Amino acid sequence: EDQVTQSPEALRLQEGESSSLNCSYTVSGLRGLFWYRQDPGKGPEFLFTLYSAGEEKEKERLKATLTKKESFLHITAPKPEDSATYLCAVQAGANNLFFGTGTRLTVIP
Amino acid sequence: SAVISQKPSRDICQRGTSLTIQCQVDSQVTMMFWYRQQPGQSLTLIATANQGSEATYESGFVIDKFPISRPNLTFSTLTVSNMSPEDSSIYLCSVAPTGDGYTFGSGTRLTVV
Repeated sequence: EDQVTQSPEALRLQEGESSSLNCSYTVSGLRGLFWYRQDPGKGPEFLFTLYSAGEEKEKERLKATLTKKESFLHITAPKPEDSATYLCAVQAGANNLFFGTGTRLTVIP
Repeated sequence: SAVISQKPSRDICQRGTSLTIQCQVDSQVTMMFWYRQQPGQSLTLIATANQGSEATYESGFVIDKFPISRPNLTFSTLTVSNMSPEDSSIYLCSVAPTGDGYTFGSGTRLTVV
């Protein structure tokens, strides 16, 4: 059975304090691993797609990496506007996504 | 990437009634998806809607409770029928990637009283 586990559930960082969010997955035939940002009252906003182990992608202060068992979302020198819930999802056989429960990030000025 | 307009953004409904949620996409897409996000939980797929065919429902979701229409390649509706407080959730539509990632609507926050 496909499974996605995100940790930690919640993370509080001081502005400028770098950290990483984890997404562990168990899926047969990974077709893609997706990272999304979700602000309160809004739909998920696409960040990255990773397709194979060893792949890395960057966007501003965010960097996503992928191994055969997990993905990390590294946040470098975060700012208060980075506060959001970060969701990880995997795509296995079909076109739909299977989501984790997310990490709620709070960046304190 | 596609832009999705979802309506209504929120609603408060009486138990036993039904609500229809609309999802309009600015480009033609083959597949549209409907998700539910219950309070404090992540997104769960309800069904996949293809134009010209019956929607495909995930385990635990049935057509009588969540009927879906897909009249053309840019529009879909999800109806939440005979609502109970347990149906209070955020409902989201999504489309298969036209770029690198799936695009989501802004969601409909439903409260059933």
